[in-house]
Amino acid sequence: AQKVTQAQTEISVVEKEDVTLDCVYETRDTTYYLFWYKQPPSGELVFLIRRNSFDEQNEISGRYSWNFQKSTSSFNFTITASQVVDSAVYFCALSEARDSSASKIIFGSGTRLSIRP
Amino acid sequence: GAGVSQSPRYKVAKRGQDVALRCDPISGHVSLFWYQQALGQGPEFLTYFQNEAQLDKSGLPSDRFFAERPEGSVSTLKIQRTQQEDSAVYLCASSLAAGFYGYTFGSGTRLTVV
Repeated sequence: AQKVTQAQTEISVVEKEDVTLDCVYETRDTTYYLFWYKQPPSGELVFLIRRNSFDEQNEISGRYSWNFQKSTSSFNFTITASQVVDSAVYFCALSEARDSSASKIIFGSGTRLSIRP
Repeated sequence: GAGVSQSPRYKVAKRGQDVALRCDPISGHVSLFWYQQALGQGPEFLTYFQNEAQLDKSGLPSDRFFAERPEGSVSTLKIQRTQQEDSAVYLCASSLAAGFYGYTFGSGTRLTVV
């Protein structure tokens, strides 16, 4: 069975601090995708990144970076120099990789991030 | 439209009432998903359509939940005889094609059963 665990329920930091959101996953699939989504108060899920299980390179996009460690089944997300606008709930998620049909996404329970001015 | 549109944005239903939630996916998107998000939780999969075919309904919590997409575009999630535990945000997502092309989520419908 597939499972995503986000052990941090809530994190609060002061603006400009760096913060890391942890994500651990379980799957029996050899090929899969990992995701991070942001959910601001408006409720819409905003896509941040997708990572294929074959690609363990870390990725950086502006102040955001992701560390994929297949050996520990982790896909952690770091925000550098956090800003108040980063305040939101962040979800880590997992899906199978299929060619013939789309695959449902399994979400973690989310981490609520609050950035204090 | 430019994004996935869901209506109504908010719905209050009396226990026992039937409700219908609508999802307008991005034009041309083949795949459509429904998710249920309880307060403080991550979204949970309900059902998946590829065009008009419902390929996976394993996440529907009971036979009171029914989804359809008769023409392969707009989808409706219907909940019969609503109960308080049905209170949640219902999210719809669409994807361009079969296989993985990325999902776009709507803003959801917040259902409150009183």
